[in-house]
Amino acid sequence: QQQVKQSPQSLIVQKGGISIINCAYENTAFDYFPWYQQFPGKGPALLIAIRPDVSEKKEGRFTISFNKSAKQFSLHIMDSQPGDSATYFCAASKDNTGKLIFGQGTTLQVKP
Amino acid sequence: EAQVTQNPRYLITVTGKKLTVTCSQNMNHEYMSWYRQDPGLGLRQIYYSMNVEVTDKGDVPEGYKVSRKEKRNFPLILESPSPNQTSLYFCASSSPTGGSYEQYFGPGTRLTVT
Repeated sequence: QQQVKQSPQSLIVQKGGISIINCAYENTAFDYFPWYQQFPGKGPALLIAIRPDVSEKKEGRFTISFNKSAKQFSLHIMDSQPGDSATYFCAASKDNTGKLIFGQGTTLQVKP
Repeated sequence: EAQVTQNPRYLITVTGKKLTVTCSQNMNHEYMSWYRQDPGLGLRQIYYSMNVEVTDKGDVPEGYKVSRKEKRNFPLILESPSPNQTSLYFCASSSPTGGSYEQYFGPGTRLTVT
């Protein structure tokens, strides 16, 4: 079963707009929630991550919002740029065992 | 330069012909993993290793084998590939120290099994 569910599958945003990608998880034991960014022909790379003891983390234009009671977290990209066009994956992990559970991915296109 | 390397990057093979995809990292990481990426399914973990000679199944291990005889290398073996193993494969490494769970991914291996 899919332990981490991600939506939407694809997203088109105008330059300067806000991109929002959502994820929901099932296992309350997860203690680490990263977002990875993948450009075509490349491997995923860590973008930003959060732990469940905080409700929000911001790094530049990228923000994770975390709702522990709803078991949901989301990625917000402010002032979206064409260079942000990529596939984004949410993920979850527990106890730093090296086992990451990924969402299905969201393909973001930012139009100029 | 800190990196994870995979070889080959592209491979076309036929059903049943054994193949190995190599993975090597130069960051002295204890943890290494293999994932496959398929459209609409995201990245799914095949196997992972927490150290030399310590491996465990991920979510989709059927049809794959791994070994971890050296810390830097973690090859993925398909002993009898089938068309449903056509996919994009990624190796990743990470370390349990320093408080970061960040996984570093290789560039990927695109495998086609006919």
